[in-house]
Amino acid sequence: DGGITQSPKYLFRKEGQNVTLSCEQNLNHDAMYWYRQDPGQGLRLIYYSQIVNDFQKGDIAEGYSVSREKKESFPLTVTSAQKNPTAFYLCASSWWNTEAFFGQGTRLTVV
Amino acid sequence: GIQVEQSPPDLILQEGANSTLRCNFSDSVNNLQWFHQNPWGQLINLFYIPSGTKQNGRLSATTVATERYSLLYISSSQTTDSGVYFCAALNQAGTALIFGKGTTLSVSS
Repeated sequence: DGGITQSPKYLFRKEGQNVTLSCEQNLNHDAMYWYRQDPGQGLRLIYYSQIVNDFQKGDIAEGYSVSREKKESFPLTVTSAQKNPTAFYLCASSWWNTEAFFGQGTRLTVV
Repeated sequence: GIQVEQSPPDLILQEGANSTLRCNFSDSVNNLQWFHQNPWGQLINLFYIPSGTKQNGRLSATTVATERYSLLYISSSQTTDSGVYFCAALNQAGTALIFGKGTTLSVSS
């Protein structure tokens, strides 16, 4: 089936550890996005990529890094520099300037 | 950048009631979407509606781009309609969706 797959669904991180969240899409979309959602809040943009090998910072990029080596994949690394990483992370993709679709999300908890 | 505001923040209804959710945006947009976030957190696409009116069953949406607002109508609400409804507008650069803070809808039987 076509869609966006995020993994894992749940992730636990120890203090000072880097973790990577996976996002894969088979919709042949050019653009991909990462959002963060805190309890009771809307979604805030972390990074976005409109084309392979290119990505841009969103509103809250500090403490995060991404890569876009393949059109289908846009992994997000939460580094130890992110002081409050516990949140729900959502990945999305779209054709340029059209309807966006979201994955099922990854819940990250610091332990 | 573009600002997106949703109202009301919370809405409590009896099953069978109708409701209207509003989304205001601060600048012209090329793209506006409505989503329903289910209890597991997944965002379900409801409407892609940069302008005009669309209907899908008991739900309909209208965007008046020149006046910078969009409305989501829910008729004959059901308990399964409960959850958070988000609107999101594409920023002027056309690079990413900017979300409102959502409307939390609770429908009781």
